[in-house]
Amino acid sequence: EIVLTQSPGTLSLSPGERATLSCRASQSVGSSYLAWYQQRPGQAPRVLIHDASSRATGIPDRFSGSGSGTDFTLTISRLEPEDSAVYYCQQSGTSFWTFGQGTRVEIK
Amino acid sequence: QVYLVESGGGVVQPGTSLRLSCAASGFTFKNYGMHWVRQAPGKGLEWVAVVWHDGRNKYYANSVKGRFTISRDNSENTMSLQMNSLRAEDTGVYYCARDIRSAYYDYWGHGSPVIVSS
Repeated sequence: EIVLTQSPGTLSLSPGERATLSCRASQSVGSSYLAWYQQRPGQAPRVLIHDASSRATGIPDRFSGSGSGTDFTLTISRLEPEDSAVYYCQQSGTSFWTFGQGTRVEIK
Repeated sequence: QVYLVESGGGVVQPGTSLRLSCAASGFTFKNYGMHWVRQAPGKGLEWVAVVWHDGRNKYYANSVKGRFTISRDNSENTMSLQMNSLRAEDTGVYYCARDIRSAYYDYWGHGSPVIVSS
């Protein structure tokens, strides 16, 4: 089972600032199998990034993903108030899927 | 438009059973794998189970293996999760989600809350 560890636990930033979220895997993850999700309070998650760096349909270009192997990053280039949410990375395998524990982004 | 609608959640006592359903519409259901993902109150997301598009392969998280059974009916465009021997730690919101290439989820339902409490 691959364990995903996200850091930091919480980010508190101002509008317009850049957010950098990390996701580290306990074993190598194929780039095609790493995704990022945003979950706002009271809502279901929505996919932001799939295949480590591909933006999902309708996602603004201020969201970007990078990384390979065991280290992946989600970057939000210019924070907006509506980006206040919890962000999860997720990896998938043939028979087991796992999520990181999440990073909370707070907008000051 | 793709819709996933969960139902069947509720309040049950430990040791009892509950069956969740997910009704799908707006896409060719038989072409997609489907998952259940849950979220305990105030906690993160936890993958629960997956059933492949044809129903032949099913996989479970260790925490539910032997107690939960996932199934689907491609003629009715529905997926189900039979939950037996429920425990307090099974409490949470249960989401159904559509699988893309066994890689990520592109659509989620709104979730069905399950509370296991005496």
